[in-house]
Amino acid sequence: EAQVTQNPRYLITVTGKKLTVTCSQNMNHEYMSWYRQDPGLGLRQIYYSMNVEVTDKGDVPEGYKVSRKEKRNFPLILESPSPNQTSLYFCASRWRGRTDTQYFGPGTRLTVL
Amino acid sequence: DQQVKQNSPSLSVQEGRISILNCDYTNSMFDYFLWYKKYPAEGPTFLISISSIKDKNEDGRFTVFLNKSAKHLSLHIVPSQPGDSAVYFCAARSQTGANNLFFGTGTRLTVIP
Repeated sequence: EAQVTQNPRYLITVTGKKLTVTCSQNMNHEYMSWYRQDPGLGLRQIYYSMNVEVTDKGDVPEGYKVSRKEKRNFPLILESPSPNQTSLYFCASRWRGRTDTQYFGPGTRLTVL
Repeated sequence: DQQVKQNSPSLSVQEGRISILNCDYTNSMFDYFLWYKKYPAEGPTFLISISSIKDKNEDGRFTVFLNKSAKHLSLHIVPSQPGDSAVYFCAARSQTGANNLFFGTGTRLTVIP
């Protein structure tokens, strides 16, 4: 089954404690991205990756890091989380040039105290 | 600044009637528009799209209309079914920034049996 998986699905942490949210896709997609969803703001892109070892900033990259060492994985790293990073995070993947066939993961709800 | 706006946070419709969800945008460089549907605890899934060279696209019960002069698009669902109850996001892609989708804030549709 074609899917994007994220872990963990729920996480409560404290300010400053480094965390990683993993994302994996089994469709051999070149393009992967991270979004955050906040009330009244919709989904905003954090980072994206066109292929292995190729990453770039989206609209709201501050406070986040990503890496793309393998095609299937695109982890989101928060080196020093802050309360304003409390949000619902979605990973997505697709073929390059096929915006309509973007697959989203189920989401990770992060709370930073 | 929100470039894609969905001004109605919620909409309730009787089963069998038409649902009309609206979306406005500000960026004249947007050339491709999409609608996503999101159920609770799941990621958004692609529903229907339209290119800026068209003014209508239809897929079964779902039709998207684009009015470029008004920078407005709408999603029509006819007839509405209880399973259509979800949050609907409008999204747009810019000619110059094809790697990013700009999302609206979403409209929660409730179809009443």
